Amino acid sequence: AQSVTQLGSHVSVSEGALVLLRCNYSSSVPPYLFWYVQYPNQGLQLLLKYTSAATLVKGINGFEAEFKKSETSFHLPKPSAHMSDAAEYFCAVSHTNAGKSTFGDGTTLTVKP
Amino acid sequence: DAGVTQSPTHLIKTRGQQVTLRCSPKSGHDTVSWYQQALGQGPQFIFQYYEEEERQRGNFPDRFSGHQFPNYSSELNVNALLLGDSALYLCASSSFPLVVLTEAFFGQGTRLTVV
Repeated sequence: AQSVTQLGSHVSVSEGALVLLRCNYSSSVPPYLFWYVQYPNQGLQLLLKYTSAATLVKGINGFEAEFKKSETSFHLPKPSAHMSDAAEYFCAVSHTNAGKSTFGDGTTLTVKP
Repeated sequence: DAGVTQSPTHLIKTRGQQVTLRCSPKSGHDTVSWYQQALGQGPQFIFQYYEEEERQRGNFPDRFSGHQFPNYSSELNVNALLLGDSALYLCASSSFPLVVLTEAFFGQGTRLTVV
């Protein structure tokens, strides 16, 4: 069985500040890992995915994520937050295909001017 | 490319009723997955359809059923609605992973409210 834990249901930062969204997973084998963003009243948009290639993964909107197998983590840092980054972020894992994923409960990011 | 389209966008039903939600996958995709997202939670996998058959299922009761048509579109049916079924229902489309992992694209969802 696999599970995903997102540390911090709410994160608030000032515009221009560093953002760190944290995700830990529990899995018997290295899974595929994803970060999705959800804006109000919209579906999920893929930010980035890890599929066993490089440990540093680049995504859209200036996000990058580092896969740390030893820590079973897939944290999402961003050096400088923008107002447009305010949204809910979900970490997800899958062993089979991207359509069947286990999601965390999400982290709501607030960016203050 | 219209992407993944879901209908209706909003729906209000009464307890005990039945509901059908619809999803058209992104062009070129043959696999449809359904998720339930309760307020304040992450999406929960309901089931996945490929080649008109349910291939994988999450921990949901038999009241939740689905169908996939030859054109790859899909329906989610929920019978005997409960208040707890109120949620955002998301459809995700992808290509069946024959070799490498492919990306899943999500629709905007159907907001179901059971009263």
